Amino acid sequence: IAGITQAPTSQILAAGRRMTLRCTQDMRHNAMYWYRQDLGLGLRLIHYSNTAGTTGKGEVPDGYSVSRANTDDFPLTLASAVPSQTSVYFCASSDSIGQGSDTQYFGPGTRLTVL
Amino acid sequence: GQNIDQPTEMTATEGAIVQINCTYQTSGFNGLFWYQQHAGEAPTFLSYNVLDGLEEKGRFSSFLSRSKGYSYLLLKELQMKDSASYLCANMDSNYQLIWGAGTKLIIKP
Repeated sequence: IAGITQAPTSQILAAGRRMTLRCTQDMRHNAMYWYRQDLGLGLRLIHYSNTAGTTGKGEVPDGYSVSRANTDDFPLTLASAVPSQTSVYFCASSDSIGQGSDTQYFGPGTRLTVL
Repeated sequence: GQNIDQPTEMTATEGAIVQINCTYQTSGFNGLFWYQQHAGEAPTFLSYNVLDGLEEKGRFSSFLSRSKGYSYLLLKELQMKDSASYLCANMDSNYQLIWGAGTKLIIKP
């Protein structure tokens, strides 16, 4: 693989169910991010990780959790899905956080529908 | 608060030039990014400006004025494949990207 992969590509989920979105990168980037993208709104940061073993909250963290056990993987978990979490979720990575020039590279996205 | 403004939609003709504007008000500034996003796909990096002035990269150029909180993306010799959304994002004092809602560019033959 090259770059960032996400799984699943799309999912329909019943409200109240638990769901984990997977993200893997092979660029050895230190920083990783989860965004959600909703029609008419800009990308909004859910959680981020500066490096393996550390995570931080973004703009809209409620209802989501993340872990960063190693450099490559950054799963996003919805403990109990609600319809307002229907969105397209993008995982991204960058070489680091703390340098303005660090470009973020995005995965293909997961389209999640919560009914 | 933090705010990024860009037009919702623009239409241009194949072969022409189009300028997409972006104004920002954020806490701190560590650079201004432009990304392209085709429908149903991931955003892809186009340009980064941290100093005032124009950065040219082939058919695409990006301009920044920090004093005015203003940037634009200039696309020349438009091609049908340039039909996409163009996302403006400012890197704030925490090195997090604050994103605009995107400008949908429609290219007509």
